[in-house]
Amino acid sequence: GAGVSQSPRYKVAKRGQDVALRCDPISGHVSLFWYQQALGQGPEFLTYFQNEAQLDKSGLPSDRFFAERPEGSVSTLKIQRTQQEDSAVYLCASSLGGTSGRRETQYFGPGTRLLVL
Amino acid sequence: KQEVTQIPAALSVPEGENLVLNCSFTDSAIYNLQWFRQDPGKGLTSLLLIQSSQREQTSGRLNASLDKSSGRSTLYIAASQPGDSATYLCAVEDSNYQLIWGAGTKLIIKP
Repeated sequence: GAGVSQSPRYKVAKRGQDVALRCDPISGHVSLFWYQQALGQGPEFLTYFQNEAQLDKSGLPSDRFFAERPEGSVSTLKIQRTQQEDSAVYLCASSLGGTSGRRETQYFGPGTRLLVL
Repeated sequence: KQEVTQIPAALSVPEGENLVLNCSFTDSAIYNLQWFRQDPGKGLTSLLLIQSSQREQTSGRLNASLDKSSGRSTLYIAASQPGDSATYLCAVEDSNYQLIWGAGTKLIIKP
């Protein structure tokens, strides 16, 4: 594919439901990032993968948030027992590099807008 | 803790004008600074990346400057066009390899 894709684009969940958000990075990109963007704010870092290894998960707000990238390509961000404060746009980005990937241009997907009622 | 601030939060100018967007950061120990454009429903697009050792970068009608010592960056847009309307965000990469973002400036170019 030409760019980073994310699905679903929109998700409405009832409070307490589990949700799974998918990210397809650019083929061959080693680094993958997840961000959370609240309305009117800049993105905030959630977690970072280098291939299948999750090297940094310091931004995950609680243990209800879990991310994986088992084969080093597609990644899934899972949120368990969703709360209203989880409502945000979840952005995925990928970059080409490995250890230097975090200092290279990141290419972003369109995001998944999550609304928790 | 690094904090990034963008002023103004919104800006509306007539087509054809030159304009400047501002970004400030509190910790000068950064590795790079990036300017992004965000269009509704289309995610973020990287516009310019300035390494910490650089003073400016140019791409077409865009010019970004970086003054690490004062904790400031500016994005200059020449001869603005309606298609430039978007939210512009700056982000700094800190020593922990994380991008710290400003809240953005929403730019409207009036035809």
